[in-house]
Amino acid sequence: EPEVTQTPSHQVTQMGQEVILRCVPISNHLYFYWYRQILGQKVEFLVSFYNNEISEKSEIFDDQFSVERPDGSNFTLKIRSTKLEDSAMYFCASSDGQGDRPQHFGDGTRLSIL
Amino acid sequence: QKEVEQNSGPLSVPEGAIASLNCTYSDRVSQSFFWYRQYSGKSPELIMSIYSNGDKEDGRFTAQLNKASQYVSLLIRDSQPSDSATYLCAVNVWDAGNMLTFGGGTRLMVKP
Repeated sequence: EPEVTQTPSHQVTQMGQEVILRCVPISNHLYFYWYRQILGQKVEFLVSFYNNEISEKSEIFDDQFSVERPDGSNFTLKIRSTKLEDSAMYFCASSDGQGDRPQHFGDGTRLSIL
Repeated sequence: QKEVEQNSGPLSVPEGAIASLNCTYSDRVSQSFFWYRQYSGKSPELIMSIYSNGDKEDGRFTAQLNKASQYVSLLIRDSQPSDSATYLCAVNVWDAGNMLTFGGGTRLMVKP
């Protein structure tokens, strides 16, 4: 069964450094998302992306965050200058449509900021 | 502000019993509802989706939606120890960038 793949599985970074989290969505999906989950807390929406532009973003997704689809298969999340509070699991998801189409999640990247 | 509320649990049921998980939501224009299962340290895994009032069955799982009461539930029949996980309710408002709003999840423990 097709799946969303994310790399790396675990990223450890010094505070203030830039990180790039990578995702390969399911191949025929056109809608892409990033969510995060701080340990013990809810899954939170960060951003949705379609047709090479951001569709919606949350308050969390400030100027330190950016997303990009650099080629036909990858979807990336960049955090420009990491803070301690950015430590979380980051999940990429994709769907083949909007509305009632389900979103399928990757295994996540655990980001640890030191 | 959209809110999705779930009882955090744990909900403990014996093996073979029916587990009933509940979720309420605050946004009246919410239109799609999803149940995800999340094992500890893992990603959310889609279990079921529902969009219309009433029941929807898929194997041992039944989702129930009542839009008037802003309530969605998941029944798991013949619960197995492998069903022990946190169950997340997620709500989608179609004209909001397809954003899913998640509840905090209910931890289910199925005892052999």
